[in-house]
Amino acid sequence: DIQMTQSPSSLSASVGDRVTITCRASQSISSYLNWYQQKPGKAPKLLIYTASSLQSGVPSRFSGSGSGTDFTLTIRSLQPEDFATYYCQQSYSTPWTFGQGTKVEIK
Amino acid sequence: QLQLQESGPGLVKPSETLSLTCTVSGGSISSSSYYWGWIRQPPGKGLEWIGSIYYSGSTYYNPSLRSRVTISVDTSKNQFSLKLSSVTAADTAVYYCARRSKAYCSGGRCYWVFDYWGQGILVTVSS
Repeated sequence: DIQMTQSPSSLSASVGDRVTITCRASQSISSYLNWYQQKPGKAPKLLIYTASSLQSGVPSRFSGSGSGTDFTLTIRSLQPEDFATYYCQQSYSTPWTFGQGTKVEIK
Repeated sequence: QLQLQESGPGLVKPSETLSLTCTVSGGSISSSSYYWGWIRQPPGKGLEWIGSIYYSGSTYYNPSLRSRVTISVDTSKNQFSLKLSSVTAADTAVYYCARRSKAYCSGGRCYWVFDYWGQGILVTVSS
């Protein structure tokens, strides 16, 4: 199985901050990397696919980068509705696996 | 607008079989463009892919659960189902059904995503 490791596990930030979350794969996955946002009590929502493509309807303050084993999700200017948990997920090979999540909390 | 809705018992006894159904509305489960799958999330923890099915009935499962999992599809009802046998407390989780679709294809390679999810159903394993 491909292991996905996110860092940090949690972070505190203020509205307007720039936030960066890192995801590392245990082997190269090219650009087969997706990012999801999950709010409490809700299903995950797709934000970014192929490491850097923004899903339709997702605000442009979200961006993704990386390829191979190292990936980054950046939120350019954190908004109140962005406080949530973020997961990376590899779609390179089965079993599809997710990172453990990064919780973004209000400072 | 596509919608997925999980249904089934919220409480299952240890050693018994967990059975859930996902009803798809606003679109056909028989489309050749999609797979349909189950993902679970233990309370306070991360996401685990359980398995997926194509409308034709072909399946693939997470090896960690393969011996206990069966996913089936009923195209006449636009539904697919999950059965997980011999459950223990470790199977307590929110179970999501989701659609897997091709987000982008290039050079014969396709990039797949889980783009539509159900709201999730909490299943507790307890006597």
